[in-house]
Amino acid sequence: KAGVTQTPRYLIKTRGQQVTLSCSPISGHRSVSWYQQTPGQGLQFLFEYFSETQRNKGNFPGRFSGRQFSNSRSEMNVSTLELGDSALYLCASKAQGAHEQFFGPGTRLTVL
Amino acid sequence: EDQVTQSPEALRLQEGESSSLNCSYTVSGLRGLFWYRQDPGKGPEFLFTLYSAGEEKEKERLKATLTKKESFLHITAPKPEDSATYLCAVQAIPDYKLSFGAGTTVTVRA
Repeated sequence: KAGVTQTPRYLIKTRGQQVTLSCSPISGHRSVSWYQQTPGQGLQFLFEYFSETQRNKGNFPGRFSGRQFSNSRSEMNVSTLELGDSALYLCASKAQGAHEQFFGPGTRLTVL
Repeated sequence: EDQVTQSPEALRLQEGESSSLNCSYTVSGLRGLFWYRQDPGKGPEFLFTLYSAGEEKEKERLKATLTKKESFLHITAPKPEDSATYLCAVQAIPDYKLSFGAGTTVTVRA
């Protein structure tokens, strides 16, 4: 069974630009969560989507948004990029009725 | 707010030298406590889920235990390939979001 895939794996952007990251969950998983990982703050929850609806949201500004499609694939968007947005963005999927989340390899975003 | 504290921050072991990692947590209602392993440049890899005090799970050289306030990850006779950052996370009812600790970086020397 294929794992969680994320594209692109690496991105370099400049301040003020926007970026869209993509996540394909494990086949059959309908819940997708996004996390930001930085050396200073560690892993922090961004949001969770289930059946195309945002089910939970972390404490991030409105510049961070996401969506989920009918095939459970998810995208997250960051607008007006800031230097502090440089991080590893991780996507995780979960089967319905289960509690464990399985992570993808992440997208490394560098903002210059 | 859920809080997860891991100690020590870093652990250097000789191959075969057993040790334990600690994860203390504060959560209003625990749905589950999770252990992950993360290698540099990769996403976290799921290891264990623990649900209630007294529960134990084992996988190869790793054993996780849970009390009402903390969890331990015991590494028995570690090998160099056990070198990684070990992350602890809690999930609080009614949510499914994970609140992570800062991790313990384990280095095992041959």
